[in-house]
Amino acid sequence: AQSVTQPDIHITVSEGASLELRCNYSYGATPYLFWYVQSPGQGLQLLLKYFSGDTLVQGIKGFEAEFKRSQSSFNLRKPSVHWSDAAEYFCAVEPGGGNKLTFGTGTQLKVEL
Amino acid sequence: GAVVSQHPSRVICKSGTSVKIECRSLDFQATTMFWYRQFPKKSLMLMATSNEGSKATYEQGVEKDKFLINHASLTLSTLTVTSAHPEDSSFYICSASRDSGKATLYEQYFGPGTRLTVT
Repeated sequence: AQSVTQPDIHITVSEGASLELRCNYSYGATPYLFWYVQSPGQGLQLLLKYFSGDTLVQGIKGFEAEFKRSQSSFNLRKPSVHWSDAAEYFCAVEPGGGNKLTFGTGTQLKVEL
Repeated sequence: GAVVSQHPSRVICKSGTSVKIECRSLDFQATTMFWYRQFPKKSLMLMATSNEGSKATYEQGVEKDKFLINHASLTLSTLTVTSAHPEDSSFYICSASRDSGKATLYEQYFGPGTRLTVT
């Protein structure tokens, strides 16, 4: 079955530490891939997306993600986390052509000062 | 740019009544709007997709007679929960996409959500 998996429900990191949030997908072909962040009281905000080409994608707020076809993964990274990065992060896929996003279950990031 | 608003942000209604939630794209014309439902500690579940002037396309398992969607203009879509029951209590989120070429292909812009509580 087609699915998006975010294995980590909660992650806690210290401010200034590096961060990696995992995302795996299960689709027949490489879908379009997205990372969104959800903060309380605000709508989901697009951090970055991958369609094709360079497998390392740069996004806003210092985030990047790497697409690895062999692992069906699209992990989100940030070299140095800020307290304001505490939020819920969602990986999403668009299988292709339908403009319909399927979301993972999200990872709640807590940042310790 | 690409701001989407929702109104109201919170609503409490009595069981059996109907409630309407508005979703507006403030600074762009939305070719497609989407309605999601988010359960606590859960992912967003797509309920339906709507294009301006057309009937909404509902996902499997979503009751179209219960969740009425109207997309009357390129900047406004409404979701009406009819005869609401406590199990309809949830966080409803809308999003909108625009057709502006490859740069924004498949990008969706999300509203802040509406918390519905049915008592």
